[in-house]
Amino acid sequence: DGGITQSPKYLFRKEGQNVTLSCEQNLNHDAMYWYRQDPGQGLRLIYYSQIVNDFQKGDIAEGYSVSREKKESFPLTVTSAQKNPTAFYLCASDRGLGSEAFFGQGTRLTVV
Amino acid sequence: AQSVAQPEDQVNVAEGNPLTVKCTYSVSGNPYLFWYVQYPNRGLQFLLKYITGDNLVKGSYGFEAEFNKSQTSFHLKKPSALVSDSALYFCAVRDKGYGQNFVFGPGTRLSVLP
Repeated sequence: DGGITQSPKYLFRKEGQNVTLSCEQNLNHDAMYWYRQDPGQGLRLIYYSQIVNDFQKGDIAEGYSVSREKKESFPLTVTSAQKNPTAFYLCASDRGLGSEAFFGQGTRLTVV
Repeated sequence: AQSVAQPEDQVNVAEGNPLTVKCTYSVSGNPYLFWYVQYPNRGLQFLLKYITGDNLVKGSYGFEAEFNKSQTSFHLKKPSALVSDSALYFCAVRDKGYGQNFVFGPGTRLSVLP
């Protein structure tokens, strides 16, 4: 089945530790996105990529980094510089300007 | 700049009654408009979209939405609510200008009471 796969579903991070969230899609979409969701705040854009080997900062990129070495993959690293990383992280992709976004099932990150 | 407002944090409706979840938007050009639904600890699922043409758009699970350009609104509706419709609903907009990303509203929690 085509879709977007995020892993892991749950992730625990210690203070000062970097963690990487995986996002893989087999939809052949050029554009991919990372969003952060906090209660009552909707979705906020962290990074996006319109094409392989290129990505742009979104509204809340500080403390995060990404790479786009393959069309299928868009991993997100939450660095120790992100002071409040506990949130639900959503990866998405789309096939062009008029299309809807397809979402993964999310990764819930908790700082312990 | 693009923005989306969902004026109600919470909507309660009795099962079998019609439901409306409101959305208004602001874009500099012509919009693409979307509705998504989210169940607990899950990703967003696409319900429907307006691109062009007929102002009444029909989508998944019996939902529909009406695009009103003069009121800059895109309200989500369903004639008869089900308990299983209880979830978080997001409206999103995308300006047709090249390179514009999705902007999501804050979400409206719908509770359908048996």
